[in-house]
Amino acid sequence: AQSVSQHNHHVILSEAASLELGCNYSYGGTVNLFWYVQYPGQHLQLLLKYFSGDPLVKGIKGFEAEFIKSKFSFNLRKPSVQWSDTAEYFCAVNEEAIYNQGGKLIFGQGTELSVKP
Amino acid sequence: DVKVTQSSRYLVKRTGEKVFLECVQDMDHENMFWYRQDPGLGLRLIYFSYDVKMKEKGDIPEGYSVSREKKERFSLILESASTNQTSMYLCASKSYSPRDRLYEQYFGPGTRLTVT
Repeated sequence: AQSVSQHNHHVILSEAASLELGCNYSYGGTVNLFWYVQYPGQHLQLLLKYFSGDPLVKGIKGFEAEFIKSKFSFNLRKPSVQWSDTAEYFCAVNEEAIYNQGGKLIFGQGTELSVKP
Repeated sequence: DVKVTQSSRYLVKRTGEKVFLECVQDMDHENMFWYRQDPGLGLRLIYFSYDVKMKEKGDIPEGYSVSREKKERFSLILESASTNQTSMYLCASKSYSPRDRLYEQYFGPGTRLTVT
């Protein structure tokens, strides 16, 4: 079965440190890729998404992610984190296949990021 | 703005009770989803629906059923609640179009269900 793997379960950083969260997926076909974020007590919301074109995508709040097809990876990055980035981050994959007309997403396990002021 | 609302933020039920979780979206989205979120497991899809009265099993449908009588409403039903169904339940909706796959899922605030 297709799967999404996030390598880090809990990351602790100091403010201004750089961030990279890993995400790998197992599906070999055409995929669409997403990063969602859940701030404490808030809804899950979209951070950024990739469908085609430039493999380096930019999202909200200074986040970016790079799609490396050969590595089946879609890692999330931010050059300098802030205390307000403390949240849980989820990578998700949508397979482009006829059977997936409903747009089913497969989520990773999530990475909890704690940023110390 | 898309709004997805869920009937309760917190719910406590007893083992064996029938539980209804309601979800309503106001953007005329065709597709709706129910997930459960557990620490270390991420979000797992329980059921989804791509049209009224249509439903598809997700990855963990056992112990759950769903109902979609109207486009804007998607209900999750726990026929006989068990303690292993204690979890956060998230509802989401998504537009369908020829470019469906480009559209994100919009999530509700979640219902934290505790079964005792």
